[in-house]
Amino acid sequence: QSVLTQPPSVSAAPGQKVTISCSGSSSNIGNNYVSWYQQLPGTAPKLLIYENNKRPSGIPDRFSGSKSGTSATLGITGLQTGDEADYYCGTWDSSLSASPWVFGGGTKLTVL
Amino acid sequence: QVQLVQSGAEVKKPGSSVKVSCKASGGTFSSYTISWVRQAPGQGLEWMGRIIPILGIANYAQKFQGRVTITADKSTSTAYMELSSLRSEDTAVYYCARGGAGAAAGVWVEYYFDYWGQGTLVTVSS
Repeated sequence: QSVLTQPPSVSAAPGQKVTISCSGSSSNIGNNYVSWYQQLPGTAPKLLIYENNKRPSGIPDRFSGSKSGTSATLGITGLQTGDEADYYCGTWDSSLSASPWVFGGGTKLTVL
Repeated sequence: QVQLVQSGAEVKKPGSSVKVSCKASGGTFSSYTISWVRQAPGQGLEWMGRIIPILGIANYAQKFQGRVTITADKSTSTAYMELSSLRSEDTAVYYCARGGAGAAAGVWVEYYFDYWGQGTLVTVSS
């Protein structure tokens, strides 16, 4: 059971838009930066979004991030078959919890 | 460019220990943190702990306290993760990741992980 809640799967057609939600609490998302990671099959995770809504160099602007209260959202527009991957949100947890850093359970994106 | 290169796959017996290395190049090793994240087959990402090389301080997830030791050698820009008392449930791919962190109220808060190692498969089997 992950501290951050993501939908297990989402799907959309090529060219369409999809959003992936990440729900937490005031001790994690509510008071810390959120980052998003893309994991293509058989590869290491890759940073997509950091500090809620910033994109590292080389990440296309089809990917966007936002945060409101204790939830964050990853948006992907102009879907491509190459976007099929698992997506994870992550953030620091300031409570005296089991882990100072927490990931969501991951969302599998299928591009139909 | 920044690269994190991990040591190769390991096969271990239950009850033994494994030590995985992560050598950084292309950046200033001491300016960042190094975390270890594992992924069991078909499962999600699980943060195990981190080291702050400039301070030599390590923090661990409660789940791994007492079983994991994370260290760093600044002279070789290499971080290590040792996991002891291995059991079959520890079979996973282990990743190191460079963390961008900032100080908040005396705590080094991780903001993101911008570079990842290629992963090291550790198989625990009798």
